[in-house]
Amino acid sequence: ETGVTQTPRHLVMGMTNKKSLKCEQHLGHNAMYWYKQSAKKPLELMFVYNFKEQTENNSVPSRFSPECPNSSHLFLHLHTLQPEDSALYLCASSQDLVGYTFGSGTRLTVV
Amino acid sequence: EDQVTQSPEALRLQEGESSSLNCSYTVSGLRGLFWYRQDPGKGPEFLFTLYSAGEEKEKERLKATLTKKESFLHITAPKPEDSATYLCAVQGGGADGLTFGKGTHLIIQP
Repeated sequence: ETGVTQTPRHLVMGMTNKKSLKCEQHLGHNAMYWYKQSAKKPLELMFVYNFKEQTENNSVPSRFSPECPNSSHLFLHLHTLQPEDSALYLCASSQDLVGYTFGSGTRLTVV
Repeated sequence: EDQVTQSPEALRLQEGESSSLNCSYTVSGLRGLFWYRQDPGKGPEFLFTLYSAGEEKEKERLKATLTKKESFLHITAPKPEDSATYLCAVQGGGADGLTFGKGTHLIIQP
């Protein structure tokens, strides 16, 4: 496989559920990101991992918990979400914080 | 705080009708300005990176230009397959990620 792969593509979860989004990059990049894309709003940066260390957390609620076990894998753990958290969640990777490649995203619906 | 404003929000063109999309930005220490294309239900697809004012890049029917305050994405003789949302983003000197605009939704009618 090449590029950035995200699973699952679609996820429906209740507000009391716990689920995880997975991202894997096959580009040898050293930084990975989570972005949120909601209707009528710009992509919002959520988390940045540079060399496996979290370098940025843009005031994201604690119900979103990232994990980066190595430079190729990134997870977003979800728990007790709200309906307004329904969105497209995009993972991206880059080399030296430049030249971003995005995955196809996970369409999350919270019911 | 880095900011990106794209205009128009939506644009409908006839096939072959050339036009330009605008991206105005304010950033502290521009490291790069990026253009992406996004199709429905998919992630953004990279088109161009511009690094300094005066720089231009071309790819097929697309040409991106950059000044100190804005960037243009020129579309020459577009085809229906060019229909998509075009996103502009900047990376500032103090940021580890990109700041995006809301995008321009482009529709090319046959």
